[in-house]
Amino acid sequence: TAGITQAPTSQILAAGRSMTLRCTQDMRHNAMYWYRQDLGLGLRLIHYSNTAGTTGKGEVPDGYSVSRANTDDFPLTLASAVPSQTSVYFCASSAGQGAGNEQFFGPGTRLTVL
Amino acid sequence: AQSVTQLDSQVPVFEEAPVELRCNYSSSVSVYLFWYVQYPNQGLQLLLKYLSGSTLVKGINGFEAEFNKSQTSFHLRKPSVHISDTAEYFCAVRANTGGFKTIFGAGTRLFVKA
Repeated sequence: TAGITQAPTSQILAAGRSMTLRCTQDMRHNAMYWYRQDLGLGLRLIHYSNTAGTTGKGEVPDGYSVSRANTDDFPLTLASAVPSQTSVYFCASSAGQGAGNEQFFGPGTRLTVL
Repeated sequence: AQSVTQLDSQVPVFEEAPVELRCNYSSSVSVYLFWYVQYPNQGLQLLLKYLSGSTLVKGINGFEAEFNKSQTSFHLRKPSVHISDTAEYFCAVRANTGGFKTIFGAGTRLFVKA
């Protein structure tokens, strides 16, 4: 079982360009999340989706957008990248919103914006 | 709102020595608590979680953690570490009143030396 896959593994992007980070899960989980990981700050939630067709904003949503057209896919788009968006991005999923549900994480996408 | 403080950013320890990674949290409501581990160039995976019941929780790879409500702590311990335990460890908290937001600490890098 693949679990969660993310693409690309890494990317160097010029400032001002757009980019979509892809995330796919095969566990039929309802909830999906996007986090960014920065040194000394841990993981911060960017956007989330409770179920297909719905999305919501996390702690640091500015400059990012998401969509959830189906259960399996949850792409994250940077419309016009800025250097402060240089980070490692993790997609995660959980079976539901129940507070005890474990989150499963993808391997991450390392993004550098120059 | 919840917050998590991991008191040590780095913990160096010799192989076969015991280790404790400290985590304190704050919350106005009851919480669920988690420890995740991140090996180099990988996503996070769950080590253990406290939902209710016994305050001593045992996880994978010989790790355990104790929930102390009066001290609002959830320290992670292992009696004898291995080189393979070298990784970043994240403490996380989630309100048990429902909702989806998991708040992560900044992480503690455990470095096991031969």
